[in-house]
Amino acid sequence: DSGVTQTPKHLITATGQRVTLRCSPRSGDLSVYWYQQSLDQGLQFLIQYYNGEERAKGNILERFSAQQFPDLHSELNLSSLELGDSALYFCASSVGQGVIYGYTFGSGTRLTVV
Amino acid sequence: GENVEQHPSTLSVQEGDSAVIKCTYSDSASNYFPWYKQELGKRPQLIIDIRSNVGEKKDQRIAVTLNKTAKHFSLHITETQPEDSAVYFCAASIPNAGNMLTFGGGTRLMVKP
Repeated sequence: DSGVTQTPKHLITATGQRVTLRCSPRSGDLSVYWYQQSLDQGLQFLIQYYNGEERAKGNILERFSAQQFPDLHSELNLSSLELGDSALYFCASSVGQGVIYGYTFGSGTRLTVV
Repeated sequence: GENVEQHPSTLSVQEGDSAVIKCTYSDSASNYFPWYKQELGKRPQLIIDIRSNVGEKKDQRIAVTLNKTAKHFSLHITETQPEDSAVYFCAASIPNAGNMLTFGGGTRLMVKP
């Protein structure tokens, strides 16, 4: 157990639907990062939150949005889903400031859009 | 922003041989370079990292080297075993950028028994 909790582990939904992915960071980490990994692809950075505020944005579609709550958990909302959104979505956390350390990744949510 | 390139994209070696994966980065301010191993369907896991004040770091069969002048760093795996088969990602981080890591595209390592 990495200490980063992602739910659900698997999600199957139909095109056009909306889903919410949840991430609880490791205790003490203030920063949360969301990544998308399609089949046989690399880690595509979506968005970063630090202590409740958006800090950096990557290749995140307008149909996707995220937020980080006061208890530091984060949610990634994916709407108007398309077949191409099927992927593994990882959340990672880090302290977010000061001395840099590597991220700790959660186990991911596998999203299948049918 | 930072750009990290990783080569090769796939690497096949015989069990017992060594494997080397190379990454280059663009921002000379980068000062932290982790490596992640991702087994099929699992989360990326940090296996080794190096900071810019160090040229080499070793941990059993894995080692990482850093050449700041050339802006490249490499992962070396010696005496490869079938369980080393995975996708490996390098990354780089710039100070004062919120711990943001920029990842390379990944290398699929296959170790043949």
